[in-house]
Amino acid sequence: KNEVEQSPQNLTAQEGEFITINCSYSVGISALHWLQQHPGGGIVSLFMLSSGKKKHGRLIATINIQEKHSSLHITASHPRDSAVYICAVKGTSGSRLTFGEGTQLTVNP
Amino acid sequence: GAGVSQSPSNKVTEKGKDVELRCDPISGHTALYWYRQSLGQGLEFLIYFQGNSAPDKSGLPSDRFSAERTGGSVSTLTIQRTQQEDSAVYLCASSSAPSGQETQYFGPGTRLLVL
Repeated sequence: KNEVEQSPQNLTAQEGEFITINCSYSVGISALHWLQQHPGGGIVSLFMLSSGKKKHGRLIATINIQEKHSSLHITASHPRDSAVYICAVKGTSGSRLTFGEGTQLTVNP
Repeated sequence: GAGVSQSPSNKVTEKGKDVELRCDPISGHTALYWYRQSLGQGLEFLIYFQGNSAPDKSGLPSDRFSAERTGGSVSTLTIQRTQQEDSAVYLCASSSAPSGQETQYFGPGTRLLVL
């Protein structure tokens, strides 16, 4: 079992729909990152969380440390949101990030 | 300002040859990371540099892989005696904070193909 599990692996939505991507992890962490990988391969950091909730535009990220779970929500989805969304965690010691396999999101017009 | 840059953007090499991949982090960023993304696979940590501290090499897959960071800025990842399984996108990221708990800024990656 991977230390970081994402679900779903693939997600197809219609423009305007509310989207949720989930991330569960099995180790103690000091921080959790959500990343977006565009079709061309470029990676952008969306959020870094250690507790609670963060919002940026139509994106919302939440984390529940006790349940070892985080969610990424996209409101009013748009075709330009189509990308791979990656969850990554930093353990309580050391500097490395451990990555989930990613969720491929496709938003159709 | 300029982001993280990597060169070359693409590299094709023959099995057994050595390759060098370069990363220029954002100016002033003290932390620098190398990652690898194999085809159809998730991202994999390789190595981490922070200032003048000894690097965290725990992710390097074999002793054919090495990296250095000169003057606290530019970094070079070297793969010796390349194998076909080394084919992947090699990504570099930098951060302004040492703890790994700050936003990492990723470069565009180097696509390596070993024939």
